[in-house]
Amino acid sequence: DQQVKQNSPSLSVQEGRISILNCDYTNSMFDYFLWYKKYPAEGPTFLISISSIKDKNEDGRFTVFLNKSAKHLSLHIVPSQPGDSAVYFCAAVFFGNEKLTFGTGTRLTIIP
Amino acid sequence: NAGVTQTPKFQVLKTGQSMTLQCAQDMNHNSMYWYRQDPGMGLRLIYYSASEGTTDKGEVPNGYNVSRLNKREFSLRLESAAPSQTSVYFCASRLTGAYEQYFGPGTRLTVT
Repeated sequence: DQQVKQNSPSLSVQEGRISILNCDYTNSMFDYFLWYKKYPAEGPTFLISISSIKDKNEDGRFTVFLNKSAKHLSLHIVPSQPGDSAVYFCAAVFFGNEKLTFGTGTRLTIIP
Repeated sequence: NAGVTQTPKFQVLKTGQSMTLQCAQDMNHNSMYWYRQDPGMGLRLIYYSASEGTTDKGEVPNGYNVSRLNKREFSLRLESAAPSQTSVYFCASRLTGAYEQYFGPGTRLTVT
C-alpha cells in the first residue's frame, strides 16, 4: 500500500517558468513532510520541509504548500533553472517516528 | 566534515556471494538507516538503527543483516546475494529531534 504517492513520473518546464511538483498521501497521521532532490549518481539531499500545523513554507525559490483536508502537498520552484533538473522525492513521517515514507519520485527537466 | 560516506561505490557479485556495505557518518547523529532505490519504487527502508546497540527492520529486510558497530558506523550485509538485490543502496543518518535525514552517495550493486 503506497501511503505517499507522486503520480507524475516526469515533468518538463521551460527555464524561468514555475515548476509545480505534486504529492498525495493517504495516512492522516502524518505530521511532517519533506522534499528531497536527487541528481544522478548522488544521494538525495534535503530541500525543504513543512509541519502539519502550517500550510506554507518558503525558502528562496522553493515553496511547499500543504492542504491537509485534501492530503496533498506541492513544491513550487520559481523561477526554474537548469540546475533544478533532478528527481524530486516527497516524504512523510509521524511525530516521534524514526521512519520516513517516500514517494516514488518525479523527474523534473528544465528546458533552456 | 565528510557527512555520510559509503564504500564501495560500485560492486558486482555473482549469485550466492556475500558482501558487506560500509557506512560512516561524522555528524554525531544517533539514528542511521539503510535504503534501496529501484526504478519506479522510490526509496525503501531496509533496516535502521535508532541508537548505538539497537537495530530494527524496515519495509524490505529479507536477505539482509545489519550491524551498528559504534555511533559512527552502520554496515549492511548480504549473506547470499540474489539478482533481486541488484539496486542502488543508500545510507542515511539523522540527528535526534530533527526529521531530516542526510544521505550518503550510494553504492550501486549488481548481482549476476
